[in-house]
Amino acid sequence: EAEVAQSPRYKITEKSQAVAFWCDPISGHATLYWYRQILGQGPELLVQFQDESVVDDSQLPKDRFSAERLKGVDSTLKIQPAELGDSAMYLCASSLAGAGSYEQYFGPGTRLTVT
Amino acid sequence: SQQGEEDPQALSIQEGENATMNCSYKTSINNLQWYRQNSGRGLVHLILIRSNEREKHSGRLRVTLDTSKKSSSLLITASRAADTASYFCATVQGAQKLVFGQGTRLTINP
Repeated sequence: EAEVAQSPRYKITEKSQAVAFWCDPISGHATLYWYRQILGQGPELLVQFQDESVVDDSQLPKDRFSAERLKGVDSTLKIQPAELGDSAMYLCASSLAGAGSYEQYFGPGTRLTVT
Repeated sequence: SQQGEEDPQALSIQEGENATMNCSYKTSINNLQWYRQNSGRGLVHLILIRSNEREKHSGRLRVTLDTSKKSSSLLITASRAADTASYFCATVQGAQKLVFGQGTRLTINP
């Protein structure tokens, strides 16, 4: 069964350092999402791509976070510089089309710890 | 910003019992989805119910939706140890955005 791949699974970094996460969605899925999930809370959307275009990045802290999906397939989320408050699970998901009618398939996530 | 609020925040029951979780939301929705998350893992889609539907079943899952009360419930019948997880409702707002609640942590005791 096709799955969303994410790497790394775990990342420990010092504050002020740069960190990057990678996601490979299910083949054929046009829509890709990055979520941040703080322990004990639900996921919060950071950015949504339709193919290579950003559809929604209203909750992305653009002073330190960036995301790209250059060829409309895999995607990278970057944080520079990392802050202590960025410690969280970063989840990638994909769907055939927008969230309105289709379920989202989630990857295993990247657990980020900033020290 | 979190849209839905799940109730209870935590639920512990014996294996074989039924588990009911509730979700309330604030704005008009296109549909509502329920997801499960095992500890430290990604989320798994369970069921989607559209705004014009009142009830939906999938195996041991039963979901209801009351748009007049802006609430939904998820019932898991004949619970199993493997059902231990966090359960999230998510509402679709506007065109495409999925907004998750805080979740209910369900523990099934053997």
